Amino acid sequence: EAQVTQNPRYLITVTGKKLTVTCSQNMNHEYMSWYRQDPGLGLRQIYYSMNVEVTDKGDVPEGYKVSRKEKRNFPLILESPSPNQTSLYFCASSGLGLGEKLFFGSGTQLSVL
Amino acid sequence: AQSVTQLDSQVPVFEEAPVELRCNYSSSVSVYLFWYVQYPNQGLQLLLKYLSGSTLVKGINGFEAEFNKSQTSFHLRKPSVHISDTAEYFCAVSPTGTASKLTFGTGTRLQVTL
Repeated sequence: EAQVTQNPRYLITVTGKKLTVTCSQNMNHEYMSWYRQDPGLGLRQIYYSMNVEVTDKGDVPEGYKVSRKEKRNFPLILESPSPNQTSLYFCASSGLGLGEKLFFGSGTQLSVL
Repeated sequence: AQSVTQLDSQVPVFEEAPVELRCNYSSSVSVYLFWYVQYPNQGLQLLLKYLSGSTLVKGINGFEAEFNKSQTSFHLRKPSVHISDTAEYFCAVSPTGTASKLTFGTGTRLQVTL
C-alpha cells in the first residue's frame, strides 16, 4: 500500500530537549515536504526536498532542520524546541510531474512545555 | 508569490442540502489549483485539481469545482452533502505545476448535521 509514515503520532516534550520526527514514504517519490498546521493559519511549509541531498526552506523554517540522505526518508529535527513550535506536523511526498498530488502522513501532534 | 483566501472558516449545513465552499487566489503567474480534504485525525487527501482545459473539474465523493480566471476563484460545490462529508477543506495553489511551491488557504470546516 502506498503510504507516508510519520512517527511518533503524539509527542510531549520540554523546552530545549532535541527531538526528531521521522517520515518515510514507499512510493519512490522525489519530492518530500514538511508542513505545520495551526488553527486559523492553515498549513505552512517548513522545508522541502526535491531529491536526495537537495533541501530548501519553505515559509517558516526557523527553528527546524531537515536532512535527505536517502530517497525514502525525510526527518524533521528540532534541536531546541520552544513552546511556539507546539503544532500539528505533516509530512508529504509526491513525484515531480506537473500537478502531481501530495500524499500526506497522518500527522504528529507535538506539544512543547 | 501567490496567496489563497478562504473567507469562510466554518460552514454549517444540513444533510442533503447543497454546499459551496469559496476559494479566491492571487498570483502574478498562471496557477494550478487544488482542493484537499482532511477528515478528523487524518492527513490531507486530494479531492480534485485543475491544471488546464475544462474549467469545471469533477473530483471524488461527488464534489466539483469551477475555475474562474476573471474572478480568480475556484469554488468547491456539492449538490447534496452527507454526514460523512464533515471535514476540513483546504484550497491550494501552485504556480509551477509541481508541489514545491504549493500554498494552502486557512481551511473551511464543513459541519453537516441531520
